[in-house]
Amino acid sequence: SQKIEQNSEALNIQEGKTATLTCNYTNYSPAYLQWYRQDPGRGPVFLLLIRENEKEKRKERLKVTFDTTLKQSLFHITASQPADSATYLCALGTGTASKLTFGTGTRLQVTL
Amino acid sequence: GAVVSQHPSRVICKSGTSVKIECRSLDFQATTMFWYRQFPKQSLMLMATSNEGSKATYEQGVEKDKFLINHASLTLSTLTVTSAHPEDSSFYICSARGGRDKNTEAFFGQGTRLTVV
Repeated sequence: SQKIEQNSEALNIQEGKTATLTCNYTNYSPAYLQWYRQDPGRGPVFLLLIRENEKEKRKERLKVTFDTTLKQSLFHITASQPADSATYLCALGTGTASKLTFGTGTRLQVTL
Repeated sequence: GAVVSQHPSRVICKSGTSVKIECRSLDFQATTMFWYRQFPKQSLMLMATSNEGSKATYEQGVEKDKFLINHASLTLSTLTVTSAHPEDSSFYICSARGGRDKNTEAFFGQGTRLTVV
């Protein structure tokens, strides 16, 4: 069966360090992968999109990698700040339809 | 980025009544809108996809007669939870995409916390 896995345990890191979140998938052939940020009681906010033919994408302090052989995406936040504390969701799109399938999300807590 | 407005943000209703949730794209034309529900500490579960001017496509296990979706214009979609029961209590979120390119980011509303008592 199709599955998208993100670490369900919260990730706690110190301010200034790099946070790395993982998204693994099975039985999917995604055309693209997206990362979203979700704060409690709010809707997700789009961060980055990476396509199947791209290895890496960057945006300011954010970096996403996409390895279709390993079926994995890594999401990095460099120089992390307490304001980065939130739940981060990965989502896959197959390209044949416009809908996204979401992982369960990983909660990031950045402490001083 | 584009703005999607969802209303109301919170609603409490009595069991057996119906509740309507609105989703509006404020600065772009949303050819496709999606409705999700999210339980605490769980992922977003897609309920249905709606395209302007046509019937919504529901995901397996979602009752179309219970969750009525209307996408009458390029800027407005509504979800009506009919004859609500306590098990319908959840966080409902809409998202919208514009343009012909399906491989674009989705813009989400703020979500609606529905509590059925």
